[in-house]
Amino acid sequence: DIQMTQSPSSLSASVGDRVTITCRASQGISNYLAWFQQKPGKAPKSLIYAASNLQSGVPSRFSGSGSETDFTLTISSLQPEDFATYYCQQYNSYRWTFGQGTKVDI
Amino acid sequence: QVQLVESGGGVVQPGRSLRLSCVASGFTFRSYGMHWVRQAPGKGLEWVAGVWYDGSKKYYADSVKGRFTISRDNSKNTLYLQMNSLRAEDTAIYYCARVPGGLLGEEYFEYWGQGTLVTVSS
Repeated sequence: DIQMTQSPSSLSASVGDRVTITCRASQGISNYLAWFQQKPGKAPKSLIYAASNLQSGVPSRFSGSGSETDFTLTISSLQPEDFATYYCQQYNSYRWTFGQGTKVDI
Repeated sequence: QVQLVESGGGVVQPGRSLRLSCVASGFTFRSYGMHWVRQAPGKGLEWVAGVWYDGSKKYYADSVKGRFTISRDNSKNTLYLQMNSLRAEDTAIYYCARVPGGLLGEEYFEYWGQGTLVTVSS
């Protein structure tokens, strides 16, 4: 299976900060990479697909980049509603795998 | 709007069975591939199983292969997960998720249900 490794596992930030989360795949996955946001007690929500495409309705402060093995999720100016856990996921193979998550808190 | 509503969770003893359901609305269910994903308490996300739009192809994680069966009834707009020989490590919230197309390949998890909690305990 393709292993997905996120870093950091957690980070503390303030409103207005620029936040960057990285995700590394154990082998090349082209651009078949998605990012999800999950708040406590809620289902995951799709943010970005195909590494850099914003899901409809997602604020433009979220952006994604990367290809093959190295990917980045950036929040350009952190808002109070962005404090959550973020997961990357590869969908290049028929064995879908997630990163371990990055918790963003104050 | 797309809605996915899971049900069927509960407390079950190890070795017993449980069937989860996911009722879909707001889209043409028979045209889309579907998945089950789970999340153990305080842990990350784990893909469990996926099925093509027409039910003809199914995929399973190694951790559930041979014990769980994914299926769908397109006439009822419903996705199922039959879970047999349950273990304590199957304790999790189970989510259903829809992909943008029908065949699962190279498709991300676009919409998610709210989840249903399964607790395996004696």
